[in-house]
Amino acid sequence: GDSVTQMEGPVTLSEEAFLTINCTYTATGYPSLFWYVQYPGEGLQLLLKATKADDKGSNKGFEATYRKETTSFHLEKGSVQVSDSAVYFCALSDNNQGGKLIFGQGTELSVKP
Amino acid sequence: EPEVTQTPSHQVTQMGQEVILRCVPISNHLYFYWYRQILGQKVEFLVSFYNNEISEKSEIFDDQFSVERPDGSNFTLKIRSTKLEDSAMYFCVRRVAGQETQYFGPGTRLLVL
Repeated sequence: GDSVTQMEGPVTLSEEAFLTINCTYTATGYPSLFWYVQYPGEGLQLLLKATKADDKGSNKGFEATYRKETTSFHLEKGSVQVSDSAVYFCALSDNNQGGKLIFGQGTELSVKP
Repeated sequence: EPEVTQTPSHQVTQMGQEVILRCVPISNHLYFYWYRQILGQKVEFLVSFYNNEISEKSEIFDDQFSVERPDGSNFTLKIRSTKLEDSAMYFCVRRVAGQETQYFGPGTRLLVL
């Protein structure tokens, strides 16, 4: 079945460092891809999305490009802030199957001042 | 961003008791989902609901679970006889038909003792 694999955390960076969180997927159809963020004690918020190959999703300085050839959707940010400390979840949705989300295991990011 | 609210925010129950988690209010022409997140683990799909019926459910969603719209507005998840392993955060999620994005509610933290 469909699945999502993320790089393991926790990831600890200094403020203004470059961030990459790897995400790869397996899917039989043509999924939409998402990054959700979960701040401490809160629910999940959509960070960005891409619905087809070569699309780039972006929000709040974060970017991810839908790479069909490598089945990847890596999350990047050029300069992280302490406020970016959270757990990041990569997910896919196969719209032919009612749209349920399949999540990766999450990557905890800690940004130190 | 469409708003999703959930009640209660926290619930503590004894093993074997029934619990009802609520998602309020809701509108028509929407997909609804329940997901759960056991502490420190990935977010897992439970069930999707559209047009007053279940459209898909996971292996987790066994006979102990049910969903309904008892009064045409609230959307509920019932666990008939809770087990210790049901302790988790439960998220109600909504999606507008024809759009990919799923919006998460704040969650209900369930603790089974």
